Amino acid sequence: DGGITQSPKYLFRKEGQNVTLSCEQNLNHDAMYWYRQDPGQGLRLIYYSQIVNDFQKGDIAEGYSVSREKKESFPLTVTSAQKNPTAFYLCASSPIAAGGTEAFFGQGTRLTVV
Amino acid sequence: QQQVKQSPQSLIVQKGGISIINCAYENTAFDYFPWYQQFPGKGPALLIAIRPDVSEKKEGRFTISFNKSAKQFSLHIMDSQPGDSATYFCAARIFQAGTALIFGKGTTLSVSS
Repeated sequence: DGGITQSPKYLFRKEGQNVTLSCEQNLNHDAMYWYRQDPGQGLRLIYYSQIVNDFQKGDIAEGYSVSREKKESFPLTVTSAQKNPTAFYLCASSPIAAGGTEAFFGQGTRLTVV
Repeated sequence: QQQVKQSPQSLIVQKGGISIINCAYENTAFDYFPWYQQFPGKGPALLIAIRPDVSEKKEGRFTISFNKSAKQFSLHIMDSQPGDSATYFCAARIFQAGTALIFGKGTTLSVSS
């Protein structure tokens, strides 16, 4: 089935560690996005990419890094510089050709710092 | 100018009633306005969306009303059901620029039976 797969579903990180969240899509979408969700804060954009080997910072990019080496994959690394990483992380993708508007979301990764 | 303001933060409606959630925006360059529904522990899913060239769009029990001059849009859920209990997010996007969706902070809807 076509869709977006995020893994793992739950992730625990010790303070000072970097962790990488996986996002893979088989929808042949050009654009991919990472959002962070905190209670009462909605979805805030971390990074997005419209094409392979190119990406842009969102509103809260500090302490995060991404790569886009393949069209299907857009992993997010939460670095030790992110001071409050405990949150629900959502990956999305969308086509950017004319008429393509809907963003499809994965099921999320819940990251907890222990 | 990039914000989308959503209200109320939470909403309790009786079964069979009408749920209304409102959003307002400032950036007149926005030209795509979707609503997403999210259940606990899941990713958001597109519910319904509207472009600014129409004032209303209806899909089943869900209706978007759009007021371009007031820069406001709202979601109406008719005959609300307990299964509609979820968090709803409005969003906006400058489609032609291929930019990301900007989300409101969400409304938690509880439909009591």
